[in-house]
Amino acid sequence: DAGVIQSPRHEVTEMGQEVTLRCKPISGHDYLFWYRQTMMRGLELLIYFNNNVPIDDSGMPEDRFSAKMPNASFSTLKIQPSEPRDSAVYFCASSYRRQPQHFGDGTRLSIL
Amino acid sequence: DQQVKQNSPSLSVQEGRISILNCDYTNSMFDYFLWYKKYPAEGPTFLISISSIKDKNEDGRFTVFLNKSAKHLSLHIVPSQPGDSAVYFCAAMDTGTASKLTFGTGTRLQVTL
Repeated sequence: DAGVIQSPRHEVTEMGQEVTLRCKPISGHDYLFWYRQTMMRGLELLIYFNNNVPIDDSGMPEDRFSAKMPNASFSTLKIQPSEPRDSAVYFCASSYRRQPQHFGDGTRLSIL
Repeated sequence: DQQVKQNSPSLSVQEGRISILNCDYTNSMFDYFLWYKKYPAEGPTFLISISSIKDKNEDGRFTVFLNKSAKHLSLHIVPSQPGDSAVYFCAAMDTGTASKLTFGTGTRLQVTL
């Protein structure tokens, strides 16, 4: 039974480069969430989708961040251009209706 | 504005004893509460939940208590085991925002031998 799959697990890139994080939710789930975890702010919600439609992107820090969900089995979170302060662990989670969210193992992003 | 607060960043408990993790919330619209457990280099995993219509929910060694008047919930682990050492996050769901969760900052539990 496959869980939420995120790729890559680790990403190291230089400031100014475009970064794309990928997520495959659990099949049949209708909600998808992107989170960022940092020491200072803990686990913060960036954006979430319902049936592939973005519902709330108020947590997206800046216009440099964008997220898409072209179909029910794939989502991307893009940062362009990246900055050192974007370094964090990014989690994707999915759920069915109001059931508990299932998380992927995260992407550890380091911007040099 | 932190709507879900876990005021203890860390907790150390001896194996076999009870671990009590606390969580406070401010939003009276929260109607569903969850606890997640997180090991290093892994994503959070769901542990136990409670609806606002209940004051207690039990699952094996884990029990969650909800005190709505005090806007407080707690997670009890009895008996604590070394494998319980992890970061525990409290989370809350608002009646009006479907599946969206608001997380606390987490409590690191260490169970010592």
